[in-house]
Amino acid sequence: DGGITQSPKYLFRKEGQNVTLSCEQNLNHDAMYWYRQDPGQGLRLIYYSQIVNDFQKGDIAEGYSVSREKKESFPLTVTSAQKNPTAFYLCASTSDQGAVTQYFGPGTRLLVL
Amino acid sequence: LAKTTQPISMDSYEGQEVNITCSHNNIATNDYITWYQQFPSQGPRFIIQGYKTKVTNEVASLFIPADRKSSTLSLPRVSLSDTAVYYCLVHTGTASKLTFGTGTRLQVTL
Repeated sequence: DGGITQSPKYLFRKEGQNVTLSCEQNLNHDAMYWYRQDPGQGLRLIYYSQIVNDFQKGDIAEGYSVSREKKESFPLTVTSAQKNPTAFYLCASTSDQGAVTQYFGPGTRLLVL
Repeated sequence: LAKTTQPISMDSYEGQEVNITCSHNNIATNDYITWYQQFPSQGPRFIIQGYKTKVTNEVASLFIPADRKSSTLSLPRVSLSDTAVYYCLVHTGTASKLTFGTGTRLQVTL
């Protein structure tokens, strides 16, 4: 089955700890995205990558880092600099062929201990 | 990026048709209109996409007037399972940043 997988489903972070959220897609999509969603709010873009080995900051990149070493993988690291990391994190991908439709993963909920 | 405005919430009874209108006054010539549906604790799911006039698929219809400054998502005969948040997005036709607003929270009851 083609799609996007995110792991883990729930993640707990201790104070001062860096944590990494996994996102993998087998859709052969070039572009991948990370969003953050707070309760009752819309999605806010953290980082996006339109091609391997290249990525750009979104609207709320501070306290986060990403890498894009492989086309199918786009991991997100929530660093200790992110003081309010509790949120629902969504990964998405899209083909850049013609009109764009984003496909989303199931999400990872990050909680701070 | 074109800004979109849509109602914060809507209520409907099961079996009714629901129309959610989105305003996008500064839509550009090359922009597309896309609607997503999101259930709690899940990623958004693509519903429908259009450029002009009317588009229909198995779950919804999208009406776009000639000036393209607004669009209306129509859900025929909603059921309880259509209770969700619906997002209207306007974007170019290439892989680029998308802006999700707060969406419209649709509540369907018996």
